[in-house]
Amino acid sequence: AQSVTQLGSHVSVSEGALVLLRCNYSSSVPPYLFWYVQYPNQGLQLLLKYTSAATLVKGINGFEAEFKKSETSFHLTKPSAHMSDAAEYFCAVRGTGGGNKLTFGTGTQLKVEL
Amino acid sequence: NAGVMQNPRHLVRRRGQEARLRCSPMKGHSHVYWYRQLPEEGLKFMVYLQKENIIDESGMPKERFSAEFPKEGPSILRIQQVVRGDSAAYFCASSPGSGDSGNIQYFGAGTRLSVL
Repeated sequence: AQSVTQLGSHVSVSEGALVLLRCNYSSSVPPYLFWYVQYPNQGLQLLLKYTSAATLVKGINGFEAEFKKSETSFHLTKPSAHMSDAAEYFCAVRGTGGGNKLTFGTGTQLKVEL
Repeated sequence: NAGVMQNPRHLVRRRGQEARLRCSPMKGHSHVYWYRQLPEEGLKFMVYLQKENIIDESGMPKERFSAEFPKEGPSILRIQQVVRGDSAAYFCASSPGSGDSGNIQYFGAGTRLSVL
């Protein structure tokens, strides 16, 4: 069975500061990992994905994430936060052993302050 | 290229009524997924369909819920005899199902169901 844990349901940063959103996964098979962003009353937009190629993955809007197998982590970072980054962020895992369903974490609400 | 289209965006039903949620996948996508998001929670998988087939319904409640993806037309998630606990946002996603991008799911804007 697969699972995802997102540490910190709420994260607050100052504009221009580093953004770090944590995600740890549990999977019995090498996983596909995803970060999605959800703006209020909207659907989920794919930020980036890891599919067993490069361990450092670059996504849209300046975000990137690093897959660390030894730590079973896939933390999301952005060097400099912008007000428009305020949203909810979801980490998700999909196993490669069959089945296409995504298992999501409970989400991290990012607040960006002036 | 239109994205995943869901309608209605908002749906209000009284207890005991039926709710029908529609999802049109992205052009060229033959795989559809339904997820439910309860307040303050992440998305929970419900069902995975390909045209005319249910592939995985392990997340569907045993009663009152059903889903279909006919050969023609949108995918439908049907909830019979709704109860207040069914109030949630229901998201549909689609994927091509093959190739390097086959496992990437693209989401619609969701249907927010409110049960009075």
